Formats: sequence, C-alpha cells, structure tokens
Amino acid sequence: AQSVTQLGSHVSVSEGALVLLRCNYSSSVPPYLFWYVQYPNQGLQLLLKYTSAATLVKGINGFEAEFKKSETSFHLTKPSAHMSDAAEYFCAVSAFRGADGLTFGKGTHLIIQP
Amino acid sequence: DGGITQSPKYLFRKEGQNVTLSCEQNLNHDAMYWYRQDPGQGLRLIYYSQIVNDFQKGDIAEGYSVSREKKESFPLTVTSAQKNPTAFYLCASSMAGVDTQYFGPGTRLTVL
Repeated sequence: AQSVTQLGSHVSVSEGALVLLRCNYSSSVPPYLFWYVQYPNQGLQLLLKYTSAATLVKGINGFEAEFKKSETSFHLTKPSAHMSDAAEYFCAVSAFRGADGLTFGKGTHLIIQP
Repeated sequence: DGGITQSPKYLFRKEGQNVTLSCEQNLNHDAMYWYRQDPGQGLRLIYYSQIVNDFQKGDIAEGYSVSREKKESFPLTVTSAQKNPTAFYLCASSMAGVDTQYFGPGTRLTVL
C-alpha cells in the first residue's frame, strides 16, 4: 500500500518569491510520483512525473521536483512565483505505472500575494 | 481535439435517486478511472477499468457502480445507497501500461 502526505494545506508566497510545496510518500515498492495542478472547478493537469529515471524532474510552467529516496520526499519548487500559479496542487503516488489508480495527497492551496 | 469529456458539468439529485455521470475519451486509452474529490480530502479512487468489460473496485466503491461496454466510455452510476454523494467527480484515462493519467473537467454532483 502507498500513501502521500502533503505538508501545509495552504501555502502563501509573494509574487517573485520561491515556491516550495512539500510531499512525502510511503510505498512498499519503488514508486512512480506525480504532481498535478487544479484550477477552480476544473480537472487536473499533469505538472511533472518521476518514473525512476533522473531524480530531478522538470515540468511545465517552470516547476521542478527532486526525488529523494532517503527522505521519501518529492517536493515541488519554482524559483519565482507568478500570479497565475495560484491553484491547488496535488502530489500522487503509484506503485505500478499508474495502471491501478493513483493515491493522492490532500492537496496544497497555493496563494500568491501581489 | 483529443481529450476526455464529462457531462453534465453540474448535476442535482434528490435523495433516493440514482444518477449516472458520463465519461467519454477519444484518446484511444485502454484504462479509465473514476475519482471523487471532497474539499480538503484530495482525490479518492472509486472504480477503474483496464480493459473493456472488466473493472475493479477502488478505495471507496460502496454506493457506486460502473460499466465498460465500450473502450471510449466509462459511465459512473451513483446509487441511492451512497450516503453522502455530494462531491466533485473526476474521470481519467491512461494508456495501458503507461503511468500518466489524463483528467476530464469534472462533474459537480449536489444532493438536494
């Protein structure tokens, strides 16, 4: 079984500041890890994914995440926040290539202060 | 344009009624999924199907039913046995053996 913990249900940063959204996972097998973004009343859009290749993963919109096995973490970062980054972000884990469904964290609402 | 469509966008149901949420994809994906989203709870897996005429229960299948008669369609029925059905429902699909799931725009179900 796998699980995901996202630290902080709400994170507020100033425009232009570093964005850091935390995700820790638990998995009995090597995980596949994902970050998705959701804008109000919309579906989820994939930001990036880790599938056992490079540990530093680059995604869309300037986001990246680093897989750290020793810390069981997959934190999402962006060097400079933009107002358009305000959204809900979900970390998810899959034990086997997503075929059996994803296990999601509870989400982090990112607030961008002007 | 290829993608996943869900209808209706908003759905209202009276207590004791069954309702069916539609999910259609033209991505030629083999696997399809239904998730339920509640505020502050993330997404939870209801049912998934990896191939036509076959599906498996997810973490919260009680009170829900599905069918997979066609590759492109995976309707979800919310039955009267579901005690708290008010939620945002998301459908997703992926290629067989490939990890990335693509999501539809969602259906918001409200029980009156």
